[in-house]
Amino acid sequence: EDKVVQSPLSLVVHEGDTVTLNCSYEVTNFRSLLWYKQEKKAPTFLFMLTSSGIEKKSGRLSSILDKKELFSILNITATQTGDSAVYLCAGGDSGYALNFGKGTSLLVTP
Amino acid sequence: KAGVTQTPRYLIKTRGQQVTLSCSPISGHRSVSWYQQTPGQGLQFLFEYFSETQRNKGNFPGRFSGRQFSNSRSEMNVSTLELGDSALYLCASSLRGGLEITKMNTGELFFGEGSRLTVL
Repeated sequence: EDKVVQSPLSLVVHEGDTVTLNCSYEVTNFRSLLWYKQEKKAPTFLFMLTSSGIEKKSGRLSSILDKKELFSILNITATQTGDSAVYLCAGGDSGYALNFGKGTSLLVTP
Repeated sequence: KAGVTQTPRYLIKTRGQQVTLSCSPISGHRSVSWYQQTPGQGLQFLFEYFSETQRNKGNFPGRFSGRQFSNSRSEMNVSTLELGDSALYLCASSLRGGLEITKMNTGELFFGEGSRLTVL
């Protein structure tokens, strides 16, 4: 059975800290690993990773995929209170479904 | 352009009733997926539709069903509601589904804000 596990489940940091969120996956016919940010309702897309070892960056956020170890990390540098959210990792297979982890709840305190 | 629109946003039902939720995808998107989100299980895939055809279905009982219309709008129905069906139901659209990356499509899903169902 396909499985996506995120750690930690929750995290509290101070503004300015750097955080690393982890995602391990076991997805049959794996195609891509996606990261989403969910603040209140609609998850919003952050990254899609398909190739191993290639870092994707967007501002203070970056992510990388290790297809050998079936692992991805999401880094957030110089955190801000606006980064407080649930970060979701999902593995996509060759079908049309995403297998989501349960998310990491990040709280950034002033 | 307008995002994914889900209606109703909130609803309360009692056990045994049935409910229909609606999703209008982003204009031009032909793939619509549905997910159930609960605190205990997280986001779980329900089904995906493309050009009025269900291409994939998650591990949910037959009480959960859906359909897609020729204009790509989609509905999902839950019959004989149970307390455990209380959840946020999220709809997501993409150009063609299947995580395909093309010049026009970066493969991600665009989510609506969801329909919050409470079953009493």
